[in-house]
Amino acid sequence: EADIYQTPRYLVIGTGKKITLECSQTMGHDKMYWYQQDPGMELHLIHYSYGVNSTEKGDLSSESTVSRIRTEHFPLTLESARPSHTSQYLCASSPMGFFYGYTFGSGTRLTVV
Amino acid sequence: AQSVTQLGSHVSVSEGALVLLRCNYSSSVPPYLFWYVQYPNQGLQLLLKYTSAATLVKGINGFEAEFKKSETSFHLTKPSAHMSDAAEYFCAVSLQTGANNLFFGTGTRLTVIP
Repeated sequence: EADIYQTPRYLVIGTGKKITLECSQTMGHDKMYWYQQDPGMELHLIHYSYGVNSTEKGDLSSESTVSRIRTEHFPLTLESARPSHTSQYLCASSPMGFFYGYTFGSGTRLTVV
Repeated sequence: AQSVTQLGSHVSVSEGALVLLRCNYSSSVPPYLFWYVQYPNQGLQLLLKYTSAATLVKGINGFEAEFKKSETSFHLTKPSAHMSDAAEYFCAVSLQTGANNLFFGTGTRLTVIP
C-alpha cells in the first residue's frame, strides 16, 4: 500500500531552536503540500511543490521554509521556533491533474515552549 | 472566485440517526468535489470524490454524497450514524483551471450521541 510518512508525530521544543519536520511519500507523486492546522480549525496551505526544485508559498504566510531536492521528500524547516509556531502540520501529496484527491500523512503536532 | 462553504461547524446526531453534512461550492467551471474525514490527532482520509461521472457517489464507511449542480451542493449523508463516525469532516473543491490545488472548507465536527 502506497503511503506518506511524517516524522516526528509529536515534538516539544524550546524557543529559538531550529527544527525540521520530515515528509516522505512512496507513490511517486509530483505534487506535495504542507498545511498548518490549529486544533479544531480549518486547514491553511503554507507551502506546495509541483516537482523537484519547485516550491511555492501558500495562502497563509509562514516563517517556515521548504525544499524539494527529491521527488519523494519534502521537508519543512523552522530556523528559530517560537510559541506562535505551535500547531499541527500536515503533509500531503497528489499526482498531477485536477481530479485526484490528496493523500495526507498523519501529521506532526508541534509545541514550542 | 472559487470557494467551499460548509454549513454548521458542529453537528450532533444520535446513534442510528441520519447523518447530513452540508457543503456548497461556488465555481464558474465544472468542479471536482471531495469529502475528507479527520479523526483526532490524525491526518485527513479521503471518504469519496465526484469527478463528473455519476452524480451519486458512494464512499467508504457507508457514506455517500450527491452532486446537485442546480443547487451547487455536495452534501454528505449516511443513513445510520455509528459512534465511530465522530470526527471532523472537510469538503473540498478542485477546479479545472488555475493553480491546480484543492480548496478546503472550514470543516464540520460530527458528534454522535449514544
